[in-house]
Amino acid sequence: DTGVSQDPRHKITKRGQNVTFRCDPISEHNRLYWYRQTLGQGPEFLTYFQNEAQLEKSRLLSDRFSAERPKGSFSTLEIQRTEQGDSAMYLCASSWGVETQYFGPGTRLLVL
Amino acid sequence: QQQVKQSPQSLIVQKGGISIINCAYENTAFDYFPWYQQFPGKGPALLIAIRPDVSEKKEGRFTISFNKSAKQFSLHIMDSQPGDSATYFCAATLPEAAGNKLTFGGGTRVLVKP
Repeated sequence: DTGVSQDPRHKITKRGQNVTFRCDPISEHNRLYWYRQTLGQGPEFLTYFQNEAQLEKSRLLSDRFSAERPKGSFSTLEIQRTEQGDSAMYLCASSWGVETQYFGPGTRLLVL
Repeated sequence: QQQVKQSPQSLIVQKGGISIINCAYENTAFDYFPWYQQFPGKGPALLIAIRPDVSEKKEGRFTISFNKSAKQFSLHIMDSQPGDSATYFCAATLPEAAGNKLTFGGGTRVLVKP
């Protein structure tokens, strides 16, 4: 299967811990996006990369959030010092330029 | 500030009926309007999309109607089937120079009764 994959699919952590999520985009896609989706809401844009360059990160929710795409392939999203309000589904999407964004299955985070 | 407003939040339709979901946007710079379908535990999947220079687009049982002057667009699902039961999101994107990021509506949960 050559779709977008995300790991882990579920993560339970205690408040104050750091968590890291991984996204593997469709192989030929040069753009990679991160979104957050809370229960009953539409996804909310966080940040995106074109190849290895992070072109917008102003929507990252706080300085506890950071994302990388070191070699222009997979990406990681890290949340430091997690809070209960960080509990959500974190979605990754990829595209070739401005073409259709294809979403992964998401990582569901629960902060206790 | 919610830039894309979607209604209704939920709807129930009988098999064979028509499901209609409406969206309104505020930013006239949006230039691409996709609809996504999401099943529980899955990521959103593109269903159909339209650009503002077109008033209607049809793909199979799915039709988008677009009213640029009213800044509104809608999704019609004809001959609704139980397999269409899902959450539907309208979305909008700004032009390439602004990054093409998606701004989503709040979603509509559709239940098709057999």
